[in-house]
Amino acid sequence: GQNIDQPTEMTATEGAIVQINCTYQTSGFNGLFWYQQHAGEAPTFLSYNVLDGLEEKGRFSSFLSRSKGYSYLLLKELQMKDSASYLCAVSLGNYGQNFVFGPGTRLSVLP
Amino acid sequence: GAGVSQSPRYKVAKRGQDVALRCDPISGHVSLFWYQQALGQGPEFLTYFQNEAQLDKSGLPSDRFFAERPEGSVSTLKIQRTQQEDSAVYLCASSPNTEAFFGQGTRLTVV
Repeated sequence: GQNIDQPTEMTATEGAIVQINCTYQTSGFNGLFWYQQHAGEAPTFLSYNVLDGLEEKGRFSSFLSRSKGYSYLLLKELQMKDSASYLCAVSLGNYGQNFVFGPGTRLSVLP
Repeated sequence: GAGVSQSPRYKVAKRGQDVALRCDPISGHVSLFWYQQALGQGPEFLTYFQNEAQLDKSGLPSDRFFAERPEGSVSTLKIQRTQQEDSAVYLCASSPNTEAFFGQGTRLTVV
């Protein structure tokens, strides 16, 4: 089966840095994705890692270690609008982007 | 429009009623996915289309669920004889290659 774990909830302060971890055990791997989802809205793409290492994109960075089945999403200079759920997803690579999603981490940014 | 469009946004169905959920993907996107998202959970894969061909329907929870994409663009997810456990948000996503673009979903409530 497929298994993706991430913390259910996290809280951080505006202006701080937060790291959201994700571990995975899947039958295939064609990349690890992070999506942001505000309540009642569509998930929106944040980052994609297929090789080990760090990918930086403005205030957001994502890290991947394939040998450890581990990724994290790093959010810097937190803003109130960053309060959302963050979904870790593994593409199984059978075709296109057949994702297995984690349960999501609900991040609350406090003033 | 520029994004993935789903309709209706909200649907209330009486138990036993049939429902049809529509997805208009981004024009030109070959891949189309349906996901089911329960409250507070990550999306779960239902089915995948490449153009008009349904290449994977392994995630459909029962034979009451049926999806089609007859002309390789608009897709419809049909649920027959709805049950309370079908209550969820149904997300559609389309993809040209790496990134998947999600619609806002249809929130189905079965009463």
